[in-house]
Amino acid sequence: GAGVSQSPSNKVTEKGKDVELRCDPISGHTALYWYRQRLGQGLEFLIYFQGNSAPDKSGLPSDRFSAERTGESVSTLTIQRTQQEDSAVYLCASSTLAGGEQFFGPGTRLTVL
Amino acid sequence: AQKITQTQPGMFVQEKEAVTLDCTYDTSDQSYGLFWYKQPSSGEMIFLIYQGSYDEQNATEGRYSLNFQKARKSANLVISASQLGDSAMYFCAMTNYGGSQGNLIFGKGTKLSVKP
Repeated sequence: GAGVSQSPSNKVTEKGKDVELRCDPISGHTALYWYRQRLGQGLEFLIYFQGNSAPDKSGLPSDRFSAERTGESVSTLTIQRTQQEDSAVYLCASSTLAGGEQFFGPGTRLTVL
Repeated sequence: AQKITQTQPGMFVQEKEAVTLDCTYDTSDQSYGLFWYKQPSSGEMIFLIYQGSYDEQNATEGRYSLNFQKARKSANLVISASQLGDSAMYFCAMTNYGGSQGNLIFGKGTKLSVKP
């Protein structure tokens, strides 16, 4: 596909479990971003990857959150020991360069029971 | 601190009329970009329009235009000839080019409802 894809589209988990969310950016896009959108709210920046540079983790809300990206390909966002407050839609976006138009994936809706 | 403020939680507009969605921003950077995104109930984020801080002309994209008033730090979105399919959440966002990594800072959004 030509767009950003994310999986799973929905994830229901129990409090305390770990979850892993996946993002496939548009081919050739060097910049990749993760955002969180709580119900009825705007998007909150979580983490940014640019090529092989060290990621900008300044938006991660706690050390339970981490993310990886191999080169300019797939990224995974991991949330350890999930809490109910982690329930949100997690959106991934990619762009050809930092600061350019970002193309968003459909998101993963995470529900922590 | 960088911040986007959208003061209208919800707006109604009659089909075929124009509507303005407000957005003000706060930044100390001189170089920045302003974006508007549309989010229908399906949840996808759709890019609408972009304005760079050094652009002298207001951006336009079809029925969308951005009323950029730099001194007032406002970047209002104008939708002309509203259509029923315009009903959605609209988010204003900003990125700073002065050293940040290009992540977007979003406002809380405005829910637009178009009435037939």
